[in-house]
Amino acid sequence: DAGVIQSPRHEVTEMGQEVTLRCKPISGHDYLFWYRQTMMRGLELLIYFNNNVPIDDSGMPEDRFSAKMPNASFSTLKIQPSEPRDSAVYFCASSPQGGSEAFFGQGTRLTVV
Amino acid sequence: GENVEQHPSTLSVQEGDSAVIKCTYSDSASNYFPWYKQELGKRPQLIIDIRSNVGEKKDQRIAVTLNKTAKHFSLHITETQPEDSAVYFCAASRLGSSGSARQLTFGSGTQLTVLP
Repeated sequence: DAGVIQSPRHEVTEMGQEVTLRCKPISGHDYLFWYRQTMMRGLELLIYFNNNVPIDDSGMPEDRFSAKMPNASFSTLKIQPSEPRDSAVYFCASSPQGGSEAFFGQGTRLTVV
Repeated sequence: GENVEQHPSTLSVQEGDSAVIKCTYSDSASNYFPWYKQELGKRPQLIIDIRSNVGEKKDQRIAVTLNKTAKHFSLHITETQPEDSAVYFCAASRLGSSGSARQLTFGSGTQLTVLP
């Protein structure tokens, strides 16, 4: 298995534009997590899904952020409109039912100018 | 919700010395405490974890201790090597009844530098 796959690896966009980050979890994993990493705030959980259903989105900072998981092999995190303070590395992670380890993707480095 | 505090934020040691990183947590219901290592520009990766039913766990040069009463846990790295240089994150979580992961609350990270 190639692990958790995220795309793009890097994204530079202008303020006000829509940004979509993508994640393919490890096959068979039932949990999917979206994290944001910044120097100031460290690693923050934004939202997580279990069997494609959002369970806890209390970490989503604002209504500009939304996440979907239309099927077991794909999830998106969308920011619309984007702002410079959204610049961060966004990680997707997955873990299996009955498993405790979270497997992280390589991350997407987002820069909003 | 859970709050995890981690100290120190930076740590420099000479190669061969030991390094200790400490974390405290607030939620007494937390029962799972992993440690992740993140090398520069890379993803966080699990290096060791401990569950609340044990007080210590070792894996070669790495060990983790847990004090449930005091709600703190520590990472110990012995005989440090330059390749141990990275950011280390502690985390706390509640595992579900099936042992499934729940959301991890991470500490703020420790930048460990091992000087040759």
